Amino acid sequence: AQSVTQLGSHVSVSEGALVLLRCNYSSSVPPYLFWYVQYPNQGLQLLLKYTSAATLVKGINGFEAEFKKSETSFHLTKPSAHMSDAAEYFCAVSESSGDKLTFGTGTRLAVRP
Amino acid sequence: DAGVIQSPRHEVTEMGQEVTLRCKPISGHNSLFWYRQTMMRGLELLIYFNNNVPIDDSGMPEDRFSAKMPNASFSTLKIQPSEPRDSAVYFCASSSVYEQYFGPGTRLTVT
Repeated sequence: AQSVTQLGSHVSVSEGALVLLRCNYSSSVPPYLFWYVQYPNQGLQLLLKYTSAATLVKGINGFEAEFKKSETSFHLTKPSAHMSDAAEYFCAVSESSGDKLTFGTGTRLAVRP
Repeated sequence: DAGVIQSPRHEVTEMGQEVTLRCKPISGHNSLFWYRQTMMRGLELLIYFNNNVPIDDSGMPEDRFSAKMPNASFSTLKIQPSEPRDSAVYFCASSSVYEQYFGPGTRLTVT
């Protein structure tokens, strides 16, 4: 069975600081991995995805994530936080294309001025 | 493309009433997913369809919940009778290959 663990339900950074949101996964087969962002009162929006191509994946809004098989991790980073990045971020795993996603519990990112 | 469309966006109903949530997936997508999001339980998959056929409904809470997908462009999630603990935001998502695209959600309040 697949699962995702997001360490830290709340992360706070200063504007301009590095953003690092952690995600570890468990999967019995090579996984597909995703990061989604949810702004208040909105649906989830895809930030980026890993589908067994390049291990460093670049997404929208300056975010990127690196797939590390040895660490079973897929951490999300952004070099410089903006106030507009304040939202909840979800990591998700799937074991095949078109299959269901298993989501982590989410990390709420706050950005301090 | 208009994206995934859900209706209504907000629904307030009394306990015991029937509630029907509607979803129109993105044209050409062959998988459709229903999720529920609450503060206590986070994001839960209720059921998903592939080519209009239910594949996994193990997340449906109980017999009060039912979902249908009569054709590739429409799906419903019905709760009958509704209870206060069903209050949540219900999301529909569709996909074609890898990623899922989410609708804006229906915020359901059962009083």
